[in-house]
Amino acid sequence: DGGITQSPKYLFRKEGQNVTLSCEQNLNHDAMYWYRQDPGQGLRLIYYSQIVNDFQKGDIAEGYSVSREKKESFPLTVTSAQKNPTAFYLCASSITIGGGEQFFGPGTRLTVL
Amino acid sequence: RKEVEQDPGPFNVPEGATVAFNCTYSNSASQSFFWYRQDCRKEPKLLMSVYSSGNEDGRFTAQLNRASQYISLLIRDSKLSDSATYLCVVTDRETSYDKVIFGPGTSLSVIP
Repeated sequence: DGGITQSPKYLFRKEGQNVTLSCEQNLNHDAMYWYRQDPGQGLRLIYYSQIVNDFQKGDIAEGYSVSREKKESFPLTVTSAQKNPTAFYLCASSITIGGGEQFFGPGTRLTVL
Repeated sequence: RKEVEQDPGPFNVPEGATVAFNCTYSNSASQSFFWYRQDCRKEPKLLMSVYSSGNEDGRFTAQLNRASQYISLLIRDSKLSDSATYLCVVTDRETSYDKVIFGPGTSLSVIP
């Protein structure tokens, strides 16, 4: 089945530790995105990638980093510089950047203790 | 003014009721419009695209009013399974890509 996966579903980390969230898609989509969702708020764009080996900052990129070495994979690292990292993180992909429907992974709920 | 605004609700309606959500957007040049549905603690999923002429999919009807810069979603004969948060999504043309903007969502609870 084609789709987009994220792991882990729940993640707990101590303050000051970096953590990497996984995102994989087998939809052959060029574009991938990372969003953050806080309770009662909409999705906010952290980073996006139009194509392999290219990525751009979104609206709230500070304290985060990404890589796009393979078309299928777009991992997100939450660094210790991110002041309020506890949130629901969603990865998405689309055929092209901004093009039509975005397909979302199930999300990773990160809690920093 | 926020780029995309929605009434957060919650909307609590009885089964069988008709409910309508509105969404306003600030950029008159916005190009594409969508409604997504997000169940509690789950990922958003596309409900329907919104076309200039309006479109219908079963019990769901979406309308676009470019002059007033709003889109609407009408749900007829509400079911318990319609309980979710409905996200309005707008795309704007940036210099090199289409920027996708999500609204904060409107929460719907359908009550037996």
